[in-house]
Amino acid sequence: VVLTQSPGTLSVSPGEGATLSCRVSQETISSYLAWYQKKPGQTPRLIMFATSYRATGIPDRFSGSGSGTDFTLTISRLEPEDFAVYYCQHFGNSLFTFGPGTRVDIK
Amino acid sequence: EVHLVESGGGLVQPGRSLRLSCAASGFILNDYALHWVRQAPGKGLEWVAGISWNSVTVGYADSVKGRFIISRDNAKKSLFLQMNGLRPEDSAFYYCAKDVDSSGWYIDNWGQGTLVTVSS
Repeated sequence: VVLTQSPGTLSVSPGEGATLSCRVSQETISSYLAWYQKKPGQTPRLIMFATSYRATGIPDRFSGSGSGTDFTLTISRLEPEDFAVYYCQHFGNSLFTFGPGTRVDIK
Repeated sequence: EVHLVESGGGLVQPGRSLRLSCAASGFILNDYALHWVRQAPGKGLEWVAGISWNSVTVGYADSVKGRFIISRDNAKKSLFLQMNGLRPEDSAFYYCAKDVDSSGWYIDNWGQGTLVTVSS
């Protein structure tokens, strides 16, 4: 399985929204798609699991959607702490795969 | 509170071996799959290997298959990664990570990482 994320970098102003895409190379069960946030010097943080379920403590400005091969993470109004790299992750056949990441920068 | 503490990283020459360890606490280790995930400086996250709660099921990234071996000792609350035939491209921070499921699904807790540098 190969995951492709787009765009590679997204420049957004605080308060604006952001839409991140993750494409899976084969049809996948939505339960097996998750999203993580990674900031420099910090460990990754689970944002979304099973496509559309927010992890504990994640604010509702984060939402996830998708099915089949196309999945999306949407951040409705970016706060300063949201600027980071976001990775989608797939699980299947005892194997994990991470996408290459989308960097969300301050515009 | 879940704690995962990696150890064993360091500088090693190409072709040599290194064994990483991860000490787990704050949860019942037997109930969960565990993983090693790495991140090279300036690069993205790369899943390295995973192991089910009972060690029956293991999986490896193609980049390490045949060179790395993941294992666990539930009695000692520990996860291991035996890395053989190390290459410069294996240089990275290696994170120990806890799955939410016994067989594998997604990761909810991470260690702080241990740095492995492969260089002559």
